[in-house]
Amino acid sequence: EAGVAQSPRYKIIEKRQSVAFWCNPISGHATLYWYQQILGQGPKLLIQFQNNGVVDDSQLPKDRFSAERLKGVDSTLKIQPAKLEDSAVYLCASSLESRATEAFFGQGTRLTVV
Amino acid sequence: KNQVEQSPQSLIILEGKNCTLQCNYTVSPFSNLRWYKQDTGRGPVSLTIMTFSENTKSNGRYTATLDADTKQSSLHITASQLSDSASYICVVSRNSGNTPLVFGKGTRLSVIA
Repeated sequence: EAGVAQSPRYKIIEKRQSVAFWCNPISGHATLYWYQQILGQGPKLLIQFQNNGVVDDSQLPKDRFSAERLKGVDSTLKIQPAKLEDSAVYLCASSLESRATEAFFGQGTRLTVV
Repeated sequence: KNQVEQSPQSLIILEGKNCTLQCNYTVSPFSNLRWYKQDTGRGPVSLTIMTFSENTKSNGRYTATLDADTKQSSLHITASQLSDSASYICVVSRNSGNTPLVFGKGTRLSVIA
């Protein structure tokens, strides 16, 4: 079974630039999560989708972060404009349904803002 | 407030030695507790999962325990190997709400020769 795919693996940008990350969840998984993991910390949920609808985006900095999952499969997370404190690993995860207690993670995108 | 606290923050042990990582939580209503291993540069991978009625679960050299009364869990690693070097994250799942997963900050384990 293919896992959660993310791209790119690494990205370096200057502050105030824009960046986008892509995620392809496990086939058939209705729920998709984006997490931000700052070095030395556990993942923090940014946004959760159920199919193409947003379930929880309470911790998403909406002034600069946006995410979409238009067809209920792939998802993109965008940061515009980036700040130094956005440097982190961005993890995408998926699960069969919103109440599922296991999320399968992709390898993440490591973002460095300079 | 739903929180998961892990200790120690980091740990260095010699190859072949045993170690125990701790996880305390205040998450409710409790559904299950899972330990993840996260290698550097990779996403977390599940090691064990325990529900309320289970108090121990093994996966090879990894043994997790759960005390639901005191809301504590531990992950014991036996005969450590260099490949065990990673972050170990405790994740508690809530039995309600749309965002059930509460993450600890992890313990960074380094196994040295």
